[in-house]
Amino acid sequence: ETGVTQTPRHLVMGMTNKKSLKCEQHLGHNAMYWYKQSAKKPLELMFVYSLEERVENNSVPSRFSPECPNSSHLFLHLHTLQPEDSALYLCASSRRGNTEAFFGQGTRLTVV
Amino acid sequence: AQSVTQLGSHVSVSEGALVLLRCNYSSSVPPYLFWYVQYPNQGLQLLLKYTTGATLVKGINGFEAEFKKSETSFHLTKPSAHMSDAAEYFCAVPLVFGKGTRLSVIA
Repeated sequence: ETGVTQTPRHLVMGMTNKKSLKCEQHLGHNAMYWYKQSAKKPLELMFVYSLEERVENNSVPSRFSPECPNSSHLFLHLHTLQPEDSALYLCASSRRGNTEAFFGQGTRLTVV
Repeated sequence: AQSVTQLGSHVSVSEGALVLLRCNYSSSVPPYLFWYVQYPNQGLQLLLKYTTGATLVKGINGFEAEFKKSETSFHLTKPSAHMSDAAEYFCAVPLVFGKGTRLSVIA
């Protein structure tokens, strides 16, 4: 139990579907993150939320839409994805500042 | 911006041999440094971290790392590899990760 829970663990979706990834942390952290991990590529930071405000958006396509309704929950809404968006999507949380991140187990997304 | 470089995308060692995974950082000020481990289809788990103070940091599963400012390095070591150590290892500064090094352990 890492304290960060992601659902679903696996997701297959068509390019015209709309789906959402969910992340929940029970660690009392006030910063949450979405990362994309593709084969043979470095871990890519997608979005950063600090105190429920988005503070970073690393040129992520608009077909990815994050939502942070409170400090414990983070969503990633997906629509009209492309096959190259297939990857492991990791959620993480931390205390604000230069502290370590705690990761969920990830959602393995396949776009067909 | 802070960054890290991991030397070697794949390292293979025999069971019982020394494990050495290399990481160099790029920072104008002493950074916070981390090593994480990732098993297949899992998230990343913190192995150890350097913030301030003692430059030799001990982590879980018998791993340790030494912060060397003169070499801008933070290499990860373990005296004796175990089969269960086979995984992907990431060096990181806050929010930024290296490309990872896959460790294979041969029986």
